[in-house]
Amino acid sequence: GDSVTQMEGPVTLSEEAFLTINCTYTATGYPSLFWYVQYPGEGLQLLLKATKADDKGSNKGFEATYRKETTSFHLEKGSVQVSDSAVYFCALSDLESSASKIIFGSGTRLSIRP
Amino acid sequence: DAGVIQSPRHEVTEMGQEVTLRCKPISGHDYLFWYRQTMMRGLELLIYFNNNVPIDDSGMPEDRFSAKMPNASFSTLKIQPSEPRDSAVYFCASRYRANYGYTFGSGTRLTVV
Repeated sequence: GDSVTQMEGPVTLSEEAFLTINCTYTATGYPSLFWYVQYPGEGLQLLLKATKADDKGSNKGFEATYRKETTSFHLEKGSVQVSDSAVYFCALSDLESSASKIIFGSGTRLSIRP
Repeated sequence: DAGVIQSPRHEVTEMGQEVTLRCKPISGHDYLFWYRQTMMRGLELLIYFNNNVPIDDSGMPEDRFSAKMPNASFSTLKIQPSEPRDSAVYFCASRYRANYGYTFGSGTRLTVV
C-alpha cells in the first residue's frame, strides 16, 4: 500500500541555519504531496503542497519539489527561525489506491536554538 | 471562516465512563475525518465520512468506539466505556473534495484515569 517515510527526529539547528527534512513515498498511482506543520498544542496546518511532477510548493520560506524519478518531496528552508520549531509531517493523497485518505509520515520534530 | 471546531479542548474522565467528542467541520466541506495522536503510534486515522456517510471505519480500535455524522455540520466520536489506553489527542479534520488538503481542528486532549 501507499506509504510515506521521513527522516527521524529530533532535528536541532541554530537560528539562520539551512534546513532539509527528507521525505520519500511509495504510491500505486500519481499522488498529491503535502507538508503539514504542527505547533505545540495545536492541530496540523497545511504548509505547502504539490500535485504533479516537478511542481514546487512554497510557503513561509519553506519549499519542496515533487520529484517523481526519486519519489521524494524534501522540505527545505534557507534560514530557520526559532518560531519554526514544530513537528513537520510529510503526507500523500493517492486517489487511485487510498481514496480520499491522506497518508501521513511519522513526523519530524524540529527545534531551533536562538 | 471559523475553521474546524472541536469541543471540548480537554477532557478528563474516569475509566468506564462514556466520553463524547464533538466536531463542526468547515461549511461546504464534504469529507470529515477523525484521527487519534499518541507519542507511541503517531497519527492514526479512525474513520472518515463523505457527505455524512461513513466510508472507512477500519481504523476504529474496537467496538467501544463509535462515530456519527447526523448532518453536514456536526459529528461525534463516542467512547463507551473509556479506558486509560484511550488517552490521546483526538483530531477532527475536514476536506473539500478528494484532492485537496485537510483542515484540522485544534484537537481534544482526552485523559482517562
